[in-house]
Amino acid sequence: DAGVIQSPRHEVTEMGQEVTLRCKPISGHNSLFWYRQTMMRGLELLIYFNNNVPIDDSGMPEDRFSAKMPNASFSTLKIQPSEPRDSAVYFCASMEVYNEQFFGPGTRLTVL
Amino acid sequence: TQLLEQSPQFLSIQEGENLTVYCNSSSVFSSLQWYRQEPGEGPVLLVTVVTGGEVKKLKRLTFQFGDARKDSSLHITAAQPGDTGLYLCAARQGGSEKLVFGKGTKLTVNP
Repeated sequence: DAGVIQSPRHEVTEMGQEVTLRCKPISGHNSLFWYRQTMMRGLELLIYFNNNVPIDDSGMPEDRFSAKMPNASFSTLKIQPSEPRDSAVYFCASMEVYNEQFFGPGTRLTVL
Repeated sequence: TQLLEQSPQFLSIQEGENLTVYCNSSSVFSSLQWYRQEPGEGPVLLVTVVTGGEVKKLKRLTFQFGDARKDSSLHITAAQPGDTGLYLCAARQGGSEKLVFGKGTKLTVNP
């Protein structure tokens, strides 16, 4: 079975540009999580969805960040406008109820 | 302030040595998980502990959950180069689905 799929794997953009990260969770998993990982702050939860509904977005750093989950097989994390401090690796993870979280390979974002 | 403090932050040892890494908090958790992350990949779950005092073994890895469910340790016996990676602990509070992660211990096992 395919695991969590993320695209793109690498993204280099200039400050001020819009960035969209994509995630396809494992089929049948009803929870989806977006994380950001940096050396300084480690792995931080940005937002998570349950049955496509956003449950907790308290980790979203500011209004420049938004996330959607239009259906059970697709989610996006958008940054508009992007800033150099947004440079990080962004992970998507999916999970069955109170079970193991399965992480995707991540998207390495560099904002110049 | 980190909810989960992991130590040491970095560890470099020779193949065959034993090591222990720690995950500490002042909070009580309903469960605690250990993940390993290799470069360029996402974290992969190693184990979940739920009962205070619980000990779980996974081949050469031994995981312990503190009696008060506030801390945990991971002990590796006879480390191998394949054990190299970032070891992360993560915990849930109460009935939340959210996981809080420590910053991790970066382990390097030299041949």
